[in-house]
Amino acid sequence: AQRVTQPEKLLSVFKGAPVELKCNYSYSGSPELFWYVQYSRQRLQLLLRHISRESIKGFTADLNKGETSFHLKKPFAQEEDSAMYYCAPAGNKLVFGAGTILRVKS
Amino acid sequence: NAGVTQTPKFQVLKTGQSMTLQCAQDMNHNSMYWYRQDPGMGLRLIYYSASEGTTDKGEVPNGYNVSRLNKREFSLRLESAAPSQTSVYFCASTFERFPYNSPLHFGNGTRLTVT
Repeated sequence: AQRVTQPEKLLSVFKGAPVELKCNYSYSGSPELFWYVQYSRQRLQLLLRHISRESIKGFTADLNKGETSFHLKKPFAQEEDSAMYYCAPAGNKLVFGAGTILRVKS
Repeated sequence: NAGVTQTPKFQVLKTGQSMTLQCAQDMNHNSMYWYRQDPGMGLRLIYYSASEGTTDKGEVPNGYNVSRLNKREFSLRLESAAPSQTSVYFCASTFERFPYNSPLHFGNGTRLTVT
């Protein structure tokens, strides 16, 4: 089964500090992974997907097959980045990680 | 193009009452999903429908039933609500049947409280 693990429930950083939200996956084959974001009282929305290799709102995520990770990174956090972030694999059952709350303090 | 629409937005039920959460999408998507979101638990899959006419259990199906009424609509029913079903429920859809490489589109959620 395709599984992802987000080990941090809460990540608190100061504005301007680097951010890394961790996601590890455990399944064979070529993974297809997504990061979703949920701002306060809004619907979840796609942030980025690994095959597009694009940067959205300054966030990037690189698939590391050796470490089986897909960490989400941003060099300089902004207050508007405060949100819940979910890592999720593609596949038959779209089972999400537990999510990480990011709080950016001023 | 409204995307994924859920109704109602809020609902309060008493233990034992029943209700149906409605979800509709206008993007011609094949697959639809129901999730619940609880603090500290993240998003958990309740049921999904890979295509019109099919439904399958997710991680936490007990206490729920679903109906894929047509390609657009996927409803979630609580036959006898319990306080443990207090949660925020999200419906989602995606275009592909398998292997689901396209991302999910979510509704705004239904906040359900069972007293």
